[in-house]
Amino acid sequence: ETGVTQTPRHLVMGMTNKKSLKCEQHLGHNAMYWYKQSAKKPLELMFVYSLEERVENNSVPSRFSPECPNSSHLFLHLHTLQPEDSALYLCASSPDASGGNQGTQYFGPGTRLTVL
Amino acid sequence: QKEVEQNSGPLSVPEGAIASLNCTYSDRGSQSFFWYRQYSGKSPELIMSIYSNGDKEDGRFTAQLNKASQYVSLLIRDSQPSDSATYLCAVKPGGSQGNLIFGKGTKLSVKP
Repeated sequence: ETGVTQTPRHLVMGMTNKKSLKCEQHLGHNAMYWYKQSAKKPLELMFVYSLEERVENNSVPSRFSPECPNSSHLFLHLHTLQPEDSALYLCASSPDASGGNQGTQYFGPGTRLTVL
Repeated sequence: QKEVEQNSGPLSVPEGAIASLNCTYSDRGSQSFFWYRQYSGKSPELIMSIYSNGDKEDGRFTAQLNKASQYVSLLIRDSQPSDSATYLCAVKPGGSQGNLIFGKGTKLSVKP
């Protein structure tokens, strides 16, 4: 069991729905991340937050909206998604967003999202 | 485009053998390298990190890094069926903040 939790674990939504994914880390880390994992593709970094400030946005469509109210919590708000957005969404945290040992990332269990 | 390449496999080895997983990366300035294990339907779990050239051993796992050749490998000694999983190589390019680049992963199957 890791120190990063995610809810819900599974989510089915229609294209017109609005939903949110939640991530919480209990490790005292300062950086948090959202990744998308689709079949046959490498993990894709979506967003990076360091000390609640967004430091990276990898050309993610605006139908995905992140929110980081504090260093322990990270949300991903979803609206008007497409079927191709169906994937495993993973949250990760690290001590900080730098390199070396402090940049080691630890993953949550993920949310399996299906868009109908 | 910074890339991390892995053979997708599946790599099949008999129980007790050495499994060798390889990874190459394109950014010569990369400084941090990680191996993650991902069981089917689960999230990635960190196995090893390595930052300098040479070997780093942890139990049955050995990570090897050669920055001149831009490759990093993972050896699993005395492979067990429980090692069957997909192994992800991740590289942190030079100059980036928190941005790990992942390979597609190599699927390992250890046969009893």
